Amino acid sequence: GAVVSQHPSRVICKSGTSVKIECRSLDFQATTMFWYRQFPKQSLMLMATSNEGSKATYEQGVEKDKFLINHASLTLSTLTVTSAHPEDSSFYICSARDPRQGRETQYFGPGTRLLVL
Amino acid sequence: QQQVKQSPQSLIVQKGGISIINCAYENTAFDYFPWYQQFPGKGPALLIAIRPDVSEKKEGRFTISFNKSAKQFSLHIMDSQPGDSATYFCAASPRGKLTFGQGTILTVHP
Repeated sequence: GAVVSQHPSRVICKSGTSVKIECRSLDFQATTMFWYRQFPKQSLMLMATSNEGSKATYEQGVEKDKFLINHASLTLSTLTVTSAHPEDSSFYICSARDPRQGRETQYFGPGTRLLVL
Repeated sequence: QQQVKQSPQSLIVQKGGISIINCAYENTAFDYFPWYQQFPGKGPALLIAIRPDVSEKKEGRFTISFNKSAKQFSLHIMDSQPGDSATYFCAASPRGKLTFGQGTILTVHP
């Protein structure tokens, strides 16, 4: 399958600071990427859909001013957690839609573990 | 609103046995049903997926059975191996946006 990378794999930050997470599609161009959050022993919850060159679409209950998403190129989307608080600590996972395999096929990155102290 | 219900929460199987995980959905607009495997600290990996125009799809040891009238689909893992021990998620999608089930923790004993 296609390869999606994330950076960093884990990050620890102080409360009130901002953290940027990168998601890259390595061997295909992804016009659409998705950002998920996963709490321990829970399922993946979609946060937002990121479309290249346009504003992200956020799911209900997700604060767009807190979770800034930028999809500036066909291979890179970034998620910035602004003014992070301990409750933002979670596993953040991105996925990218591979247009060569239909509109539904998504490949996931390895995830980023965020710990806010 | 939980649109995809997955069971069981956890499953223990002996090596060589068959693992069966079930999912049920409500939204009739769903038209794509993938299964993902996730190891601790890793992102989900696509295992196998099916569309509602077929009732079964097999890839190696993994089989999806799909019942459109009952709005249910299941994953069968044949000849389960200890290396299959992971969390499995079903998902469903209309037009590409995935809704995940709650996950099943599979443990395969040697």
